[in-house]
Amino acid sequence: SQTIHQWPATLVQPVGSPLSLECTVEGTSNPNLYWYRQAAGRGLQLLFYSVGIGQISSEVPQNLSASRPQDRQFILSSKKLLLSDSGFYLCARRGAGRTGELFFGEGSRLTVL
Amino acid sequence: AQTVTQSQPEMSVQEAETVTLSCTYDTSESDYYLFWYKQPPSRQMILVIRQEAYKQQNATENRFSVNFQKAAKSFSLKISDSQLGDAAMYFCAYRSGKMNSGGSNYKLTFGKGTLLTVNP
Repeated sequence: SQTIHQWPATLVQPVGSPLSLECTVEGTSNPNLYWYRQAAGRGLQLLFYSVGIGQISSEVPQNLSASRPQDRQFILSSKKLLLSDSGFYLCARRGAGRTGELFFGEGSRLTVL
Repeated sequence: AQTVTQSQPEMSVQEAETVTLSCTYDTSESDYYLFWYKQPPSRQMILVIRQEAYKQQNATENRFSVNFQKAAKSFSLKISDSQLGDAAMYFCAYRSGKMNSGGSNYKLTFGKGTLLTVNP
């Protein structure tokens, strides 16, 4: 089966500290991968997507960056966190079918204090 | 840019009854895909149902069905025989059918969600 793992599940960080959220995918090769952020009371905002190793597209200017060092690994990073970076971060992969639905990981809850 | 609107921030339903969640979208495209996702308290997003715009027949998945009105750009979700486990946030999502290089056409645009409460 194709599974998406996100780590860590929960993270509390001070303002100005660095961030690294990891997403790994099992059971498929060369997946399209996505990072979404869900802020309280709001829908999901697409942050980054990647169609392959080293290929990153950014959707919105922000304090975050993404990298894809391996085929099944997608990392979300920041050098200095802001309060506004708090939220629930979801990694997703595209399904193989024509409809192209996304399948999501369990998410990572980030609180910046 | 496409937008997805869910006009009901919260809805409630009695167990075993039927509830309909509304979703409208704005697009100039004729080829696209629509989805409903469920996000229970565990927070993982789960795909509930999908609809291809070129198909006139409404999609159905067990107790979940949609009412797809392409001309009205409406895509509502009906949950029949509601169960306590259906309580969750429900998100409507849109994907363009336009083929672009680089995977950008596989982005989903989400509404802000409807919180469904199921009362015993």
